[in-house]
Amino acid sequence: KAGVTQTPRYLIKTRGQQVTLSCSPISGHRSVSWYQQTPGQGLQFLFEYFSETQRNKGNFPGRFSGRQFSNSRSEMNVSTLELGDSALYLCASRSGEDGYTFGSGTRLTVV
Amino acid sequence: QKEVEQDPGPLSVPEGAIVSLNCTYSNSAFQYFMWYRQYSRKGPELLMYTYSSGNKEDGRFTAQVDKSSKYISLFIRDSQPSDSATYLCAMKDAGNNRKLIWGLGTSLAVNP
Repeated sequence: KAGVTQTPRYLIKTRGQQVTLSCSPISGHRSVSWYQQTPGQGLQFLFEYFSETQRNKGNFPGRFSGRQFSNSRSEMNVSTLELGDSALYLCASRSGEDGYTFGSGTRLTVV
Repeated sequence: QKEVEQDPGPLSVPEGAIVSLNCTYSNSAFQYFMWYRQYSRKGPELLMYTYSSGNKEDGRFTAQVDKSSKYISLFIRDSQPSDSATYLCAMKDAGNNRKLIWGLGTSLAVNP
C-alpha cells in the first residue's frame, strides 16, 4: 500500500516568487492536512481538506492557500514568498479518527 | 505559554536504557493523544495513539496519559540505536476542530 507522496522533495525559490506543492494521500483517505515545520515553531497547522472542502484553517496569512481535487490529491500554494517561509512542508492523510500518516515533506528554501 | 510543552533535549542514553519522554498541556479539552517519531529528512511516523487516561503498550513502547495532571509520557524499554530520532507528542480535542496541537519534539540519541 503506497504511503503519502509529496512532490517535489526539495525546492529553492527566490523571494517574491510563488510555489505549488503537491500531495497524494493514501488510497481511500479523503482527509488531507498540511503542516509547516520549522526548528523554532515546530509543526504548525496550515489547513485540512475533506472531499474537496476546506474544513479547518490555521493562523497563516492569505498567501498560503490550498485545494483538494476529486481524487483526494491536494496542492498548497504560497504566493509572494518571504525568507521566513523556508521550512519543511508536510502533508498528512487519514481515514476516520485514526492517526495521521505523513509524507516525507517538501523542503522549501527561500533565498 | 504554549498549549503543549515538551523538553527539546537533546537526550542521550546508552543502548538498553529505559527512556522516558514527556509532554504537559494546558487545554483540558484534549482527549486524543499521540506520539510520533521523526527521523532526519523524513515525515513524522505515528507510534502510539491513545484516548483517555491510562496506559497503552505496544512492544517496547508504553504510552501513559494522566488527564488529571495534564501530563503524557512515552516510555521506551531496551532502547536501540535505531530509536535515535525526534519524538513529538500531539493532541486534539473531540470537537469539530480536528487540528493537532504539537509539542516541539525531543531529540533522542541512543548510543551503542
